[in-house]
Amino acid sequence: NAGVTQTPKFQVLKTGQSMTLQCAQDMNHNSMYWYRQDPGMGLRLIYYSASEGTTDKGEVPNGYNVSRLNKREFSLRLESAAPSQTSVYFCASSEALALKETQYFGPGTRLLVL
Amino acid sequence: DQQVKQNSPSLSVQEGRISILNCDYTNSMFDYFLWYKKYPAEGPTFLISISSIKDKNEDGRFTVFLNKSAKHLSLHIVPSQPGDSAVYFCAARATGTASKLTFGTGTRLQVTL
Repeated sequence: NAGVTQTPKFQVLKTGQSMTLQCAQDMNHNSMYWYRQDPGMGLRLIYYSASEGTTDKGEVPNGYNVSRLNKREFSLRLESAAPSQTSVYFCASSEALALKETQYFGPGTRLLVL
Repeated sequence: DQQVKQNSPSLSVQEGRISILNCDYTNSMFDYFLWYKKYPAEGPTFLISISSIKDKNEDGRFTVFLNKSAKHLSLHIVPSQPGDSAVYFCAARATGTASKLTFGTGTRLQVTL
């Protein structure tokens, strides 16, 4: 099992460009999440998907859109990238959306917006 | 407003000694706490958790203590090993918001020989 995979590992964008970050999990988990991590701050939730076909905003959703393509895949789209979106992005999954469910993280995508 | 705080950005401990990582929180609605470990260029990995109905949870070399009245938790690693060198994040959840993990800023632990 690969667990949670993310592509690309690293990306440089110019301001105004768009891109999609891909995430896939092979653990048959129902719930998936997108976080960003910035220097001096903890991980912050951007969007999550409780189950296939549903998505909800997290703490910092502005400037992002998501698609839960199927049970395995959850993508994050930046329509018009801004320097403030320079960050490391982590995708995670869990069996369910429940208090004691452990979230499993991918290796991250490092994004630089110039 | 940082609801989960890890006030020590870094900690250095000798191999074999105890490592104590601290975490404070302000939101009294938090009732489930987790510790994640992160190596460079990897995602965080789950380490240990504790429910607010307990004050201690142990898993091998790792023990988490929770003091609800002080809104404080700590992670003890005994004995510390060089492979424990990583960034440790404290995270918390509130009942009814199971989707949302609130993370601290992390503490970088270095275990020296």
